[in-house]
Amino acid sequence: GGIITQTPKFLIGQEGQKLTLKCQQNFNHDTMYWYRQDSGKGLRLIYYSITENDLQKGDLSEGYDASREKKSSFSLTVTSAQKNEMAVFLCASSSRGLAEQFFGPGTRLTVL
Amino acid sequence: GDSVTQKEGLVTLTEGLPVMLNCTYQTIYSNAFLFWYVHYLNESPRLLLKSSTDNKRTEHQGFHATLHKSSSSFHLQKSSAQLSDSALYYCALRANYGNEKITFGAGTKLTIKP
Repeated sequence: GGIITQTPKFLIGQEGQKLTLKCQQNFNHDTMYWYRQDSGKGLRLIYYSITENDLQKGDLSEGYDASREKKSSFSLTVTSAQKNEMAVFLCASSSRGLAEQFFGPGTRLTVL
Repeated sequence: GDSVTQKEGLVTLTEGLPVMLNCTYQTIYSNAFLFWYVHYLNESPRLLLKSSTDNKRTEHQGFHATLHKSSSSFHLQKSSAQLSDSALYYCALRANYGNEKITFGAGTKLTIKP
């Protein structure tokens, strides 16, 4: 088996601040994802990456940057935190093809 | 673009009654893959069911679903709800093989009462 870790578990920032969330997986999966979870809106894809140094925009990429410097890690940066984006951010990974996604425990973002 | 619709945001049922959570999808591709994920409180979302075969029932942990491409549906069912089924359920779509993008629905929060 494997595991996905997300750091930090809780992130508190000021409005306008640049904030970074980190995700690590030891499944040796090719593809990694960042989702934002808002109540009533489901999981919305921010960025995904199919291999090291690859980045693909999701439906909610505006206001975010991502980085996949290693196969095992995928970072998400909130470029300028806003109060309306307080949410839980979930990282996931999967192997190619018809494969299930494995999710991390999430990072809860609060913007003051 | 691709989309997944889960009409019911909240479903509350009494223990022992049947469960049916609706999921419909839109995509231009004919070989779509559909998934149901379950998210229990204080845990990570995990896969419950998946299917890419038209009109074939797939089952896991007492839940079942059948992909109907003619109606673009993949409804989740269980014959008898248990208290432990209370969770958030997401329907998700992978539009075609080789496309790594997965689109989720808005989710249905299922609450089972005694």
